[in-house]
Amino acid sequence: SQTIHQWPATLVQPVGSPLSLECTVEGTSNPNLYWYRQAAGRGLQLLFYSVGIGQISSEVPQNLSASRPQDRQFILSSKKLLLSDSGFYLCAWSQGAISGNTIYFGEGSWLTVV
Amino acid sequence: AQSVTQPDIHITVSEGASLELRCNYSYGATPYLFWYVQSPGQGLQLLLKYFSGDTLVQGIKGFEAEFKRSQSSFNLRKPSVHWSDAAEYFCAVGSSVSYGGSQGNLIFGKGTKLSVKP
Repeated sequence: SQTIHQWPATLVQPVGSPLSLECTVEGTSNPNLYWYRQAAGRGLQLLFYSVGIGQISSEVPQNLSASRPQDRQFILSSKKLLLSDSGFYLCAWSQGAISGNTIYFGEGSWLTVV
Repeated sequence: AQSVTQPDIHITVSEGASLELRCNYSYGATPYLFWYVQSPGQGLQLLLKYFSGDTLVQGIKGFEAEFKRSQSSFNLRKPSVHWSDAAEYFCAVGSSVSYGGSQGNLIFGKGTKLSVKP
């Protein structure tokens, strides 16, 4: 069966520091991968999605970036965090490139920028 | 533009009472519809999904949802709520058409927080 893991689960970082959140998927190949952010009362915001290694699409311009160095690995990064980057970050995957496939979520990572 | 509306931000029901969470969508193509549940501090878990066929869909944890195309709705129901159902619920819509944007992505509503009174 397929599993998705992301880490760290909780992170407190000072403003201006770098960020790296990592996500891996097991039990499938060539998944679509996603990074979402969830801020209080604002639902889920899609940040990045990837349909293959090295293929990243950004939905919202910001100081975050994403990379996919391996088929089942997705990394969310920032060179300098802002206070507004605080939130709950969710990695997710789906199978194939056809819209409407079920999206499965990781456990989430709480980021607090202080 | 595609959108999903969950009109109720917060609902409180008594344990054992019935529940209905509302979801309305606006989508040009044939929709795929989903309900997810999120417990505090955790990721989202899929409750049920509708792709085609029977418009009444059964999910996990005793939940069901009914797709009504004429009303553009996909409301979530449970006949008897348990205290463990307290969580936030998200409705989402995807398309049967592969489009060049966020392939495979879903559009989520802003969520409905469910509280359960003992």
